[in-house]
Amino acid sequence: DGGITQSPKYLFRKEGQNVTLSCEQNLNHDAMYWYRQDPGQGLRLIYYSQIVNDFQKGDIAEGYSVSREKKESFPLTVTSAQKNPTAFYLCASSPLGGANEQYFGPGTRLTVT
Amino acid sequence: GENVEQHPSTLSVQEGDSAVIKCTYSDSASNYFPWYKQELGKRPQLIIDIRSNVGEKKDQRIAVTLNKTAKHFSLHITETQPEDSAVYFCAASYNAGNMLTFGGGTRLMVKP
Repeated sequence: DGGITQSPKYLFRKEGQNVTLSCEQNLNHDAMYWYRQDPGQGLRLIYYSQIVNDFQKGDIAEGYSVSREKKESFPLTVTSAQKNPTAFYLCASSPLGGANEQYFGPGTRLTVT
Repeated sequence: GENVEQHPSTLSVQEGDSAVIKCTYSDSASNYFPWYKQELGKRPQLIIDIRSNVGEKKDQRIAVTLNKTAKHFSLHITETQPEDSAVYFCAASYNAGNMLTFGGGTRLMVKP
């Protein structure tokens, strides 16, 4: 299970609080991604980054923010502006330069009450 | 942008039978089609992928077929086993940026 890690596995927060999810990879991949998965649904892209200090919004970026200060790290902040933050969050990474497999982290299950 | 539709959403088969999951995509520029398997509470893991210069690819009991003209691709699992029970996702992307668009997933249940 090495290569890409996420912490914590489970996270509980009160409504109105910001929370940051960690994602680290030692695969030397240039590209990193954040997805949200809701029960019984597919993966939806929140943000992605192809290079340090640069990132782009995905399909559902509202209420989320990211940073990419280091190649190996891509933390995601779920802000209080996210209307329905309870979900399973998956981080992934891949090499650049053509169609390549994305490697997923183990995920963080966030519950906001 | 790309849109990927996946069917069926649930599939129940008897152990030993075959299972087929189908996906359609909208962007004719897409040229990479991976399939991921996700067990309950776990991370998705790549099980097979195909690129648009190939019509079919096999890996033991798993095969994927691609019809570029019709813009659909399918996952075939033969001789299913209980450990094949999971959610399967198809995805599509084109080279630029390696962006994947996922289908909605298929929950496969293999009954012993």
